[in-house]
Amino acid sequence: QVQLVQSGSELKKPGASVKVSCKTSGYIFRNFAIVWVRQAPGQGLEWLGWINTDTGNSMYAQDFAGRLVFSLDTSVGAAVLQLSSLTAEDTAVYYCARGIMEVARDFYYYLDVWGTGTTVTVSS
Amino acid sequence: QSVLTQPPSASGTPGQRVSISCSGSPSNIERTYVYWYQQLPGTAPKLLIYRNNQRPSGVPDRFSGSKSGTSASLAISGLRSEDEGDYYCAGWDDTLRGWVFGGGTKLTVL
Repeated sequence: QVQLVQSGSELKKPGASVKVSCKTSGYIFRNFAIVWVRQAPGQGLEWLGWINTDTGNSMYAQDFAGRLVFSLDTSVGAAVLQLSSLTAEDTAVYYCARGIMEVARDFYYYLDVWGTGTTVTVSS
Repeated sequence: QSVLTQPPSASGTPGQRVSISCSGSPSNIERTYVYWYQQLPGTAPKLLIYRNNQRPSGVPDRFSGSKSGTSASLAISGLRSEDEGDYYCAGWDDTLRGWVFGGGTKLTVL
């Protein structure tokens, strides 16, 4: 079955960077995008962006431009999120999800199967 | 402040039908599809409804979605205790060029 297994919890100091990996299985990796979302403690969901696993092209949410980088390791069917210049406001659970393309007035990927989640805590 | 507006809570007794509303704007709900996600306690969200009213394989037909103009709703019939959790509406905003979510509705089964 389709699975997205994420890396373990991270504790980082303010100003540091963090990498979160998302290892997929059960489907053809290049046929679906990877979408990233986060959820701060007790809060709702916030979209971070996506990466096209076939072309490597990424789209980032405007609030994170310059701090966020998505990458791929296609040899093992994995995607990686790197977030830099961390502050306490970046403390959240970070989720990857399989993205299915939708073409309406615009094109986007909707979130299909979600990953296991990675807790990132930023504290001095 | 979420772009999509949901009631913070909803409740019902086992077997009842409950409805959760989601209000947006012409740049999101009205012009694109609405999606609903279920997040049970301590777990990752799960896709419940896509393209306004379509259920992924494995989602019971007790769950249904609808959309009209800038509003959407999720209905759950035959409420069960295992339905207790948070429900989020979501959609693509073609002005913001990004995904937007509702603040979530916490469903309690009394």
